[in-house]
Amino acid sequence: NAGVTQTPKFQVLKTGQSMTLQCAQDMNHEYMSWYRQDPGMGLRLIHYSVGAGITDQGEVPNGYNVSRSTTEDFPLRLLSAAPSQTSVYFCASSSLQGTQIMNTEAFFGQGTRLTVV
Amino acid sequence: RKEVEQDPGPFNVPEGATVAFNCTYSNSASQSFFWYRQDCRKEPKLLMSVYSSGNEDGRFTAQLNRASQYISLLIRDSKLSDSATYLCVVIAPLNDYKLSFGAGTTVTVRA
Repeated sequence: NAGVTQTPKFQVLKTGQSMTLQCAQDMNHEYMSWYRQDPGMGLRLIHYSVGAGITDQGEVPNGYNVSRSTTEDFPLRLLSAAPSQTSVYFCASSSLQGTQIMNTEAFFGQGTRLTVV
Repeated sequence: RKEVEQDPGPFNVPEGATVAFNCTYSNSASQSFFWYRQDCRKEPKLLMSVYSSGNEDGRFTAQLNRASQYISLLIRDSKLSDSATYLCVVIAPLNDYKLSFGAGTTVTVRA
């Protein structure tokens, strides 16, 4: 039972490089999301998707792109890495109840620890 | 003002003690409330949902106070394995797709 699989676990980038963080879930969840977690800040939503072909911005979307070509996959792209993007990134998925996720559990990937130098 | 605020702690308690802490939220229209647990450097995992009437799950009790806009978590008979960071999560109907996370309360249980 894989749940949410997130890769890589660790990554070091140089300023200006680009990369893609992979996220896949096998629970047929409609809703997928990306968060970053910084000390003292809690998890902040970067982008989210409520289904294949549909994406939207969260509260800190700048510098990141996403796509949702399939229900299972939701990759996060860093376009031109900056030191401010050094963080721990989590992908999560949830089942939607109609159009809301009000009472459903969010399942998280194991996280990616990204350092930009 | 942050949407969800928590006392960061740390709360250092001996085994067997009771520890309780709160989480305040700013949006009075918030509808759903949860406690997640996060172990050091790992992903958050759902501990329990918080219902209007309050609810228990073993040694854990969660309460919701809508009038004062806070939720609480109480851990009885603390175990070493309860050492973790506890994240408060709130969902407001106008932000249907956004889980608002608190920064977490760290609990350390000592032998």
